[in-house]
Amino acid sequence: AQRVTQPEKLLSVFKGAPVELKCNYSYSGSPELFWYVQYSRQRLQLLLRHISRESIKGFTADLNKGETSFHLKKPFAQEEDSAMYYCALGSGSARQLTFGSGTQLTVLP
Amino acid sequence: EAGVAQSPRYKIIEKRQSVAFWCNPISGHATLYWYQQILGQGPKLLIQFQNNGVVDDSQLPKDRFSAERLKGVDSTLKIQPAKLEDSAVYLCASSRGGQGPTRSEQYFGPGTRLTVT
Repeated sequence: AQRVTQPEKLLSVFKGAPVELKCNYSYSGSPELFWYVQYSRQRLQLLLRHISRESIKGFTADLNKGETSFHLKKPFAQEEDSAMYYCALGSGSARQLTFGSGTQLTVLP
Repeated sequence: EAGVAQSPRYKIIEKRQSVAFWCNPISGHATLYWYQQILGQGPKLLIQFQNNGVVDDSQLPKDRFSAERLKGVDSTLKIQPAKLEDSAVYLCASSRGGQGPTRSEQYFGPGTRLTVT
């Protein structure tokens, strides 16, 4: 069975500091990994996906199949990055999503 | 494009009562999902529809939960009878489906917050 682990429930960093949100997964097949973000009073939205290999709002994430990880990184955090971040694994032919429990990121001024 | 719509936004019921949630996906999206998000947890998939057929309902508690997607557009999720542990946010999402790299990209609605007392 697939599983997504986000070990940090809460993460605080100062503005301008680097930030890394950890995500580990377990899945026997070929994974498709995503990061979703939920800003205060907004709906859950896709931030980025590993197959796109793109940077969104300064965030990047690299899929490491050896370590089964998909950590989210940003070199210089901004206050507007404060939000709840969920890592998700797409699996199966229909690509159902399995979500981690989320990390609440707070960027302090 | 208009986003995924859900109603009601909030609902408070007593245990053993019934409740229904409605979802209108993004126009043209073939795939529709219902998730349950309990406080402090990530969303958990309850059921996935492809057009008006069920793709996966393995995590749906079928003794009390039911869902339908008539005509392959709108969907309703029902709980009957509700239990205290059903208190959660119920999220609806839709995706385009079909082929291509964005076929499974999911767009979420605002959710319905259910409180069972």
